[in-house]
This record gives sequence, C-alpha cells and structure tokens, in this order.
Amino acid sequence: DQQVKQNSPSLSVQEGRISILNCDYTNSMFDYFLWYKKYPAEGPTFLISISSIKDKNEDGRFTVFLNKSAKHLSLHIVPSQPGDSAVYFCAASPTSGTYKYIFGTGTRLKVLA
Amino acid sequence: DGGITQSPKYLFRKEGQNVTLSCEQNLNHDAMYWYRQDPGQGLRLIYYSQIVNDFQKGDIAEGYSVSREKKESFPLTVTSAQKNPTAFYLCASSIDGQGPLYGYTFGSGTRLTVV
Repeated sequence: DQQVKQNSPSLSVQEGRISILNCDYTNSMFDYFLWYKKYPAEGPTFLISISSIKDKNEDGRFTVFLNKSAKHLSLHIVPSQPGDSAVYFCAASPTSGTYKYIFGTGTRLKVLA
Repeated sequence: DGGITQSPKYLFRKEGQNVTLSCEQNLNHDAMYWYRQDPGQGLRLIYYSQIVNDFQKGDIAEGYSVSREKKESFPLTVTSAQKNPTAFYLCASSIDGQGPLYGYTFGSGTRLTVV
C-alpha cells in the first residue's frame, strides 16, 4: 500500500518556465512533508519542507504548497533551469517522535534548454 | 568537510554469500538509517538507529542485519536470506531532536548486484 504517491514518473519543461511536481498521500497522520532532489548515482539532497500548520513555504525558486484537505502537495520551480534536471522525491512523516519518512516513487524532471 | 561516506560504490556478490555495506558519518549525528531503492519504487526503510548499541527494524528488515557499535558507523549486512538483494542502498543520518522539517543527510549510495 503506497502511502505517498507521485503519479507522474516524468516531466519535461522548457527552461525558464514553471515546473510543477505533484505528490499525494493517504495517511492523515502525516504532518511533515519534504522534497528531495536526486542526481544519478548520488544520494538525495534535501530541498524544502513544510509542516501541516502551513499551506505554503518558499525558498528562492522553490515553493511547496500543501492542501491538507485534499492530501496533496506540490513543488513549484520558477524559473526552471537545466541544472534542475533530476529525480524529485516527496516524503512524509507523522508526528511521532521517531521521524521515519515515507518516500514517494519519484518524478524525473527534465528541463530543456 | 562533514558528510556521509558509503563504500564501496559498486558491489558484486555471488548468490548465497553475505556482504557488508559500509556507512560512516562525521557529522556527529545521533540517528542513522538504511534505505533501499528499487526501480519505480520509493526509498524503503530497512533499519534505523537512534543511539549507539540500539537499532530498530524498518519496513523491509528481513534478510538484513545491522550493528551500531560507534556513533559514526552503521554497517549493513545483506545476508543470503535476502531473496532480492540487487538494489541501490542509501545510508542517511540526522540529528535526533532537530525536528522532522530538516530531513536527512544521505550518502552517495552503494549499488549491489548479485551475480
């Protein structure tokens, strides 16, 4: 049972345009959400996070939106750059004391120059 | 520079053999984790440890074993009991008590192939 789902395995976007990556979850106990970026043959790197008490968090070109009622979050990258081409994972964690993240399957973003 | 070192980067194992993947961190992080990544799947938690000499099973612990004798080190042994060991293995660490919004620091991974 996939508790965190990324239904789009891949996405292509023109350089300078907006990239929108989506993530859905099923467990209403999740309160913390993160996005990671991963290049081939490397480990994921932390990108941005949001807690359920907020609906938006921004960090430079990256913005994460959370719609708790729909159990949906999205990552917006504006403007997209070729260096953003990578696999993006969303991850969720409940409010329990041990932060065990549940990861989605990832979306491969390709930014076309 | 602080970070997590996983070695080797590529590992080949014959069926029926045990193999140990190394993970070392110099970040002074309390907690360490092992994840497995398979094509088309998310990262799945194998084992985690929040403190030296203590560790907990994750979602897919069968066929794996770990130890945490030092804060810096969290080796993973893939035993012959693991039925599908070919995968990309990722080690991660975090500061216990830092809060869930800071995520983990990951190593660069070990690709294990059973031949």
